[in-house]
Amino acid sequence: QVQLVQSGAELQKPGASVKVSCKASGYTFSSYDINWVRQATGQGLESMGWMNPNSGDTGYGQKFQGRVTMTRNTSINTAYMELSSLRSEDTAVYYCARAMRGSFAFDLWGQGTMVTVSS
Amino acid sequence: QSALTQPPSASGSPGQSVTISCTGTSSDVGGYNYVSWYQHHPGKAPKVIIFEVSKRPSGVPDRFSGSKSGNTASLTVSGLQAEDEADYFCSSYGGNTLYVFGTGTKVTVL
Repeated sequence: QVQLVQSGAELQKPGASVKVSCKASGYTFSSYDINWVRQATGQGLESMGWMNPNSGDTGYGQKFQGRVTMTRNTSINTAYMELSSLRSEDTAVYYCARAMRGSFAFDLWGQGTMVTVSS
Repeated sequence: QSALTQPPSASGSPGQSVTISCTGTSSDVGGYNYVSWYQHHPGKAPKVIIFEVSKRPSGVPDRFSGSKSGNTASLTVSGLQAEDEADYFCSSYGGNTLYVFGTGTKVTVL
């Protein structure tokens, strides 16, 4: 079954880091870019950046530069998004999404991971 | 980049049509033919229903259609069905391999 399965909910303190995983199955992991998108409660979706699982190349949104790191482990078909120096405004549902080949849209999404930042 | 503007809600009776707008700028919606639309039932993964302004992925009913004029894209759901009740959001390529998303519209089937 073609799917992206994300890690479970996280509760972190301000200033800490969080690492969310996104395991791909049912397709060739290295053939599709993985994007990370987040949605704060009551807010719209926000693009954080992308990673090419084949090369490891990444591109981050300006807002997240210096705080986000996207990596992968191709041996277990898993992508990771680590966000550091967490603040309350980072409380959101984080999604990984597979980019369509040859286009700019997402044809496969993870189920979302709730990250709560609270002291 | 600012979020794309969508109406917060839309509604229609079964069998009717509903159209949702998605307004951006010349740097996103108006600048690229890479507008996509997603259906999102809370608690589930979003599903792409339109990509590249008006293309439907395999398996998406032709009741869903998309268009674009200038900086505004639109999604029309014809022949509304109960299962169409969901949140819908648009997205546009915004350059530098990043995306801009809409504010989201909750569609209610009356």
